[in-house]
Amino acid sequence: GAGVSQSPRYKVAKRGQDVALRCDPISGHVSLFWYQQALGQGPEFLTYFQNEAQLDKSGLPSDRFFAERPEGSVSTLKIQRTQQEDSAVYLCASSPIRGSSLRYGYTFGSGTRLTVV
Amino acid sequence: DQQVKQNSPSLSVQEGRISILNCDYTNSMFDYFLWYKKYPAEGPTFLISISSIKDKNEDGRFTVFLNKSAKHLSLHIVPSQPGDSAVYFCAATIQGAQKLVFGQGTRLTINP
Repeated sequence: GAGVSQSPRYKVAKRGQDVALRCDPISGHVSLFWYQQALGQGPEFLTYFQNEAQLDKSGLPSDRFFAERPEGSVSTLKIQRTQQEDSAVYLCASSPIRGSSLRYGYTFGSGTRLTVV
Repeated sequence: DQQVKQNSPSLSVQEGRISILNCDYTNSMFDYFLWYKKYPAEGPTFLISISSIKDKNEDGRFTVFLNKSAKHLSLHIVPSQPGDSAVYFCAATIQGAQKLVFGQGTRLTINP
């Protein structure tokens, strides 16, 4: 596709349930990022992949959060034993640029809105 | 610890006039600053960026100004158009790191 695709668009989970959020980056994009955006706040960095390598996971809030990108394309963000504070929009972004070239920005998907009840 | 701050949650401007969106930061290690625009139910869209070694960058109706001594940057939109109504995020990067640090956002409304 032409853009970054995320699925599902909306997810309602019961507290304690595990969820998996999918990101299809733009074909050929090397870098992939996950961000969490709480209501009324700016996006907050979760983790970064360069191809299949997870180079930075410093933003993952707890060991309940896990991300993978096994073949260097599609990525999945998994949240185990969801809590109410996990309710947020989860944004995926990708970039064709390797290394520290964030000055050019990167392409975000429309996000997955997770609501934990 | 909010390293990037947008202190105005909202701004209303008349169509055709100038919109000025402000952003303050605390980390002297930031080397690039970016502005993103976000419509409801969509992801943020990159608008314009500026290196920390410059004080101005212009792209069409959008100009970003950087005042390093004050740790302040601003986005000017002139003339403002109805399609500019959106939430604007200021973001910054630290040299060597890949992540963006975002501000809280400012909702801009352009009135006809």
